[in-house]
Amino acid sequence: DVKVTQSSRYLVKRTGEKVFLECVQDMDHENMFWYRQDPGLGLRLIYFSYDVKMKEKGDIPEGYSVSREKKERFSLILESASTNQTSMYLCASSFPEVNTEAFFGQGTRLTVV
Amino acid sequence: GENVEQHPSTLSVQEGDSAVIKCTYSDSASNYFPWYKQELGKRPQLIIDIRSNVGEKKDQRIAVTLNKTAKHFSLHITETQPEDSAVYFCAARKGSGGYNKLIFGAGTRLAVHP
Repeated sequence: DVKVTQSSRYLVKRTGEKVFLECVQDMDHENMFWYRQDPGLGLRLIYFSYDVKMKEKGDIPEGYSVSREKKERFSLILESASTNQTSMYLCASSFPEVNTEAFFGQGTRLTVV
Repeated sequence: GENVEQHPSTLSVQEGDSAVIKCTYSDSASNYFPWYKQELGKRPQLIIDIRSNVGEKKDQRIAVTLNKTAKHFSLHITETQPEDSAVYFCAARKGSGGYNKLIFGAGTRLAVHP
């Protein structure tokens, strides 16, 4: 059974804090993605990685950074959390071929107060 | 970059009716178009996909059609059932090798009423 696991289901952080969201996959996937999900806006791509230490900006990278030191782990970092980053964050992974399925984690509901 | 638009944002049907969700994409180089279903409180899961060299694909009650010239693709669900109620996302992907983004539409909330 394939697994993409996000470290927390719910998080509450204060404005200005540095926040780490962790994602681990056990399928030996090269590609990993971070999305945020907001009502009416769908799944918006923040960053993706196509190999260890390789990353590319998605559509909404401002205020975020990522780290991929190991193939199985992809971290999303909020350098200084703000209230407009309150959202559901979803991690996904896939093999590099374009027509392969992406598998999602269960999501992290982040609230910034 | 790629932009995917999805309509309608909400869709309400009676059980047994058909439902159609439409998406358009902007990048003619996109060559893979998956559809994901997200039930309440759960993660999105792939339900069907289509490649750019195929015009239509069917899997039991769901089907997807692709018009490359017009750059749009659609999801068709026939004989809808209450368990079809969910949010549906279309997506587009292009590229070769590992460098390929997966871009989603804004989603359609489908409600099937008994």
